[in-house]
Amino acid sequence: GEDVEQSLFLSVREGDSSVINCTYTDSSSTYLYWYKQEPGAGLQLLTYIFSNMDMKQDQRLTVLLNKKDKHLSLRIADTQTGDSAIYFCAESSNTGFQKLVFGTGTRLLVSP
Amino acid sequence: EAGVAQSPRYKIIEKRQSVAFWCNPISGHATLYWYQQILGQGPKLLIQFQNNGVVDDSQLPKDRFSAERLKGVDSTLKIQPAKLEDSAVYLCASSLGTAGLKSNEQFFGPGTRLTVL
Repeated sequence: GEDVEQSLFLSVREGDSSVINCTYTDSSSTYLYWYKQEPGAGLQLLTYIFSNMDMKQDQRLTVLLNKKDKHLSLRIADTQTGDSAIYFCAESSNTGFQKLVFGTGTRLLVSP
Repeated sequence: EAGVAQSPRYKIIEKRQSVAFWCNPISGHATLYWYQQILGQGPKLLIQFQNNGVVDDSQLPKDRFSAERLKGVDSTLKIQPAKLEDSAVYLCASSLGTAGLKSNEQFFGPGTRLTVL
């Protein structure tokens, strides 16, 4: 079945770049997403990438996809304290009604 | 535009009691999802509705969990009887539910935090 894995924790200093990694197993994944969850809040979609793309840049966010290795990463440039949150990788396939399968989440802590 | 609304935000019950959660999706969204998020884990899909029909309930523990979306708008998720392991945040999400990536973007509510004692 589908499985999505992430490292649990990342700590960076304000102004540095953060890189959050994700691996997935479903070779039929069509779309891959990054969601942000702040304490007591729902999930907010940050960005997504289609499986036929290698890279997508959106302001401070860069997504890299290595489809051969089933590896996805999210780079946040100039990380700010407001970026402290839990980041979830998720994948969906083009079959059925595009159910999302989430990773375990990476807690990002940004210190001043 | 109003987002996905959920109530209550918090609920504490004892095991073997019953509980119900309510979700109001974004207006016009045909697809509604209920996720369970256990502490330290990612959300797991429990059930997905397309209008008022169920399209995926493969991970719903049907012996104790039930959900309905009778008029294709609001939805309720019920647990009866609750177990200790049901302690989690229950997230509702909705999407337009038509063809294309943009229409399948899921918008999440703030969730209901359930504690079973």
